[in-house]
Parts: sequence; structure tokens; C-alpha cells
Amino acid sequence: EPEVTQTPSHQVTQMGQEVILRCVPISNHLYFYWYRQILGQKVEFLVSFYNNEISEKSEIFDDQFSVERPDGSNFTLKIRSTKLEDSAMYFCASSDLRHPGANVLTFGAGSRLTVL
Amino acid sequence: DQQVKQNSPSLSVQEGRISILNCDYTNSMFDYFLWYKKYPAEGPTFLISISSIKDKNEDGRFTVFLNKSAKHLSLHIVPSQPGDSAVYFCAATDSGGGADGLTFGKGTHLIIQP
Repeated sequence: EPEVTQTPSHQVTQMGQEVILRCVPISNHLYFYWYRQILGQKVEFLVSFYNNEISEKSEIFDDQFSVERPDGSNFTLKIRSTKLEDSAMYFCASSDLRHPGANVLTFGAGSRLTVL
Repeated sequence: DQQVKQNSPSLSVQEGRISILNCDYTNSMFDYFLWYKKYPAEGPTFLISISSIKDKNEDGRFTVFLNKSAKHLSLHIVPSQPGDSAVYFCAATDSGGGADGLTFGKGTHLIIQP
């Protein structure tokens, strides 16, 4: 069964450092998403991406965050200068229809980011 | 601002009995609702969904009920099995426009006891 893969599974970084989280979405999917879950809290939408540009973003997704699809397979989330409160599990997801309600998102296993 | 609320952080059910997980929402623009299941160290996995034009959707042991007037939905699992032990997230979206993203609840940790 096709799956979304994420690397690294866990990254520890110092506050202020740049972090890049990588995702390989399902190959025939066209819509890509990043979500995060701070420990003990809900899964929160960060950003959606379609046709090489951001489709929607939440208020969490400020100027410190950026996404990119550098080639035909990878989808990356970059945090320019990490803060302690960025510590969370980051989930990548992909789907093949515009609205998640009309189809389902397939999530990766997540990348745990720990900022010290 | 919790637009999707799961008020029970955990629920313990005996194997073979019915598990009922509840979810409330406040945004009347939501018109599509989903349940995801999550095991430790894995991403959420889609379980079942329901459109606002329906009040019930069934898939095997899983049934989702939607009460639009009460802005409430529930997931029924019957009979409950040990493999059902996981965190269950309720999610909602407004498919008519606006943000693409799903709005998730905080999750309910379901524990099936043998």
C-alpha cells in the first residue's frame, strides 16, 4: 500500500538553528500538507501546497516557516530559526483531491522535533 | 478556540462491548467529518467519514452518527477488539472554501481491556 514517508524520525536541535523536515508524498497525489502536534495537544494544520505554491496556511505558519517541493518527489518544511515552542511532532500528509473532506489525507509517521 | 472538541481524553471499554467516542463542533460551516486512528509512533490513519447530508455512515464494525442540530458526532465500534486500542481523532472541514486543512479535536485514547 502506498505510504507517505518522513525523515528524520527524530531531530534534536539547538534554539535558533535551522531545521528541514523532509517528506515523500504518495507519487500520484497532488496536494500536500504539513500538520504538527505539540505533546498532549491536538493535531494542528500548518499549510497546504498545490501546483508548486502554498494553497492555504494557518496563523501558526509564520515567516519562520517555509515549504518547498525541490524536485518531483520531496516536500520539505523548513523552520529558519527554531524556538523552544516549535518542539512537536510534525506530520506530512498528501491527498489527490482538493478538499480533504471529499477525500482522505494519508499521513506519514511523523518527525519529532526537539528544540533545546 | 476549540472548534472541534473531544471532551473525553480517555475511554476504557471491555473487549467485545461497544465503544462510543464523542465529538462536538462549534463551526456551523463544517460539512464533512472524519475519524482518524493513531497508534504510537505512527501517523493518523483514516478510519471513516460522513458528509453533512447524511446522519449515519457504516463500515464494518465502525459507524459514525451525525446530529447536525446538536453539532455532535459519535463513532461506535462494535464489537471492540484489542487492536482498537489507539487514540481516535475527530476532524472536520468546510469543503465549500477557506482553509484546506482539517480541524482536529484533541483525541480520545481508547483502551480495550481483555
